[in-house]
Amino acid sequence: GNSVTQMEGPVTLSEEAFLTINCTYTATGYPSLFWYVQYPGEGLQLLLKATKADDKGSNKGFEATYRKETTSFHLEKGSVQVSDSAVYFCALTGGSGGYQKVTFGIGTKLQVIP
Amino acid sequence: GAVVSQHPSRVICKSGTSVKIECRSLDFQATTMFWYRQFPKQSLMLMATSNEGSKATYEQGVEKDKFLINHASLTLSTLTVTSAHPEDSSFYICSARDARGVSTEAFFGQGTRLTVV
Repeated sequence: GNSVTQMEGPVTLSEEAFLTINCTYTATGYPSLFWYVQYPGEGLQLLLKATKADDKGSNKGFEATYRKETTSFHLEKGSVQVSDSAVYFCALTGGSGGYQKVTFGIGTKLQVIP
Repeated sequence: GAVVSQHPSRVICKSGTSVKIECRSLDFQATTMFWYRQFPKQSLMLMATSNEGSKATYEQGVEKDKFLINHASLTLSTLTVTSAHPEDSSFYICSARDARGVSTEAFFGQGTRLTVV
C-alpha cells in the first residue's frame, strides 16, 4: 500500500534561515504529491502540489520537486518567517490507494523564532 | 479556497458518554466527506468515507458501531463517538471534496481534539 515518511519535528529555526523538510513516499504507479500546512487552531490547507515526475510545486516562497527516481518530495524555503510557524504534512493520492484517499505523513512542526 | 467548518474544536467528555462532531462545507456541496484520526506522533489515518444519502464506508479495523457517521445532506456530515473511552482520545479531522468535481483538492476542517476522562 501507499505510505509517506517525513522527518519528525519539531524543527526550530531562526527567522530568515533556510528550511528543508524531507519527505519520501512509497506508492505504485504515478501518485500525486502534496504539502499541506496547518496553522495553530486552523484546518489543513493545501500549500502546494505536483502531479507528475519532475514537476515543481511552489507557493508563498515554498517549493517542492517531485523526484520519482528518489521517491521524494522535499519541502524547501529559502528564508523562513515567524508566520511560517505551523505543522506541515506531506501527502499523496493515487497509486494503490486511488485518488479519493489521501495518505499523510506524520506531520512536522516548524517553529520560527525572531 | 473553499471552507470546511468543523465543530467543536475541543471537547472533553466523561467515559461512557457519546460525542458528536460536525463537519460542514460552507460554500460548496460535498457528496463525499472523509473522516481522519491522528494519534500522537502518528500520521493522519483515514477512518471512513462518508457518502451523502448512503452508508459510510469504513476502513479496515475501524468499528462502525463505535464511530457512527451520518451524511444527511450535501453540506453536513457528523461523526458520533459512542460510549467513549480514554483510548478514543485523539485528534479527529474531516475533509470534503466539491461535488462538481472542479478541483482535485480536498478541503479540511480545523479538527477536533477529543479528550475522554
